[in-house]
Amino acid sequence: GQSLEQPSEVTAVEGAIVQINCTYQTSGFYGLSWYQQHDGGAPTFLSYNALDGLEETGRFSSFLSRSDSYGYLLLQELQMKDSASYFCAVIPAGNTGKLIFGQGTTLQVKP
Amino acid sequence: GAVVSQHPSWVICKSGTSVKIECRSLDFQATTMFWYRQFPKQSLMLMATSNEGSKATYEQGVEKDKFLINHASLTLSTLTVTSAHPEDSSFYICSASTMGLHRSGYTFGSGTRLTVV
Repeated sequence: GQSLEQPSEVTAVEGAIVQINCTYQTSGFYGLSWYQQHDGGAPTFLSYNALDGLEETGRFSSFLSRSDSYGYLLLQELQMKDSASYFCAVIPAGNTGKLIFGQGTTLQVKP
Repeated sequence: GAVVSQHPSWVICKSGTSVKIECRSLDFQATTMFWYRQFPKQSLMLMATSNEGSKATYEQGVEKDKFLINHASLTLSTLTVTSAHPEDSSFYICSASTMGLHRSGYTFGSGTRLTVV
């Protein structure tokens, strides 16, 4: 099975940098994704790591280390609109194609 | 490209009635769609995988007779919540596999807020 753990809540101030960690236990997966979800909305894709290392997309970066069963999402130059829930997710190895989400982290950005 | 339309966005129904939620791929063919349920302040829990032309595959603990999934065409999957009860009130989200069309591999509908009274 798959288990992805994230901190439940993180608070930071505008302009700061915040890192949201995701530790996982899984028998195998194709890659680690990150999604943002605002209250009442659908998940929005942020980043994807198929290989170990850092992926940078604007203010957001994501990192994966398969040997450490660990990944993180890094948000820079925080803005108030970044207040949302953030989920890591994996596609388990096999042919099901399904996407399994972590528990989610609620980020609150304060002025 | 790779847009998924989900309807209705919200619905209120009486206990004991059935509610149908539609998920359409607008500009691509979706052979596989996924249905999720999300309770407040919780994660998205996968309910079932819907494959065009075949029976859906349900996750453990999901009642297939209560949550009927039909995927009769390459652009439409429906989820019917039968004999709804207040505990079925939740946010239901569909997604379509878009491997090769989108870097993430998935496109999500906008979700349906179901309230059973």
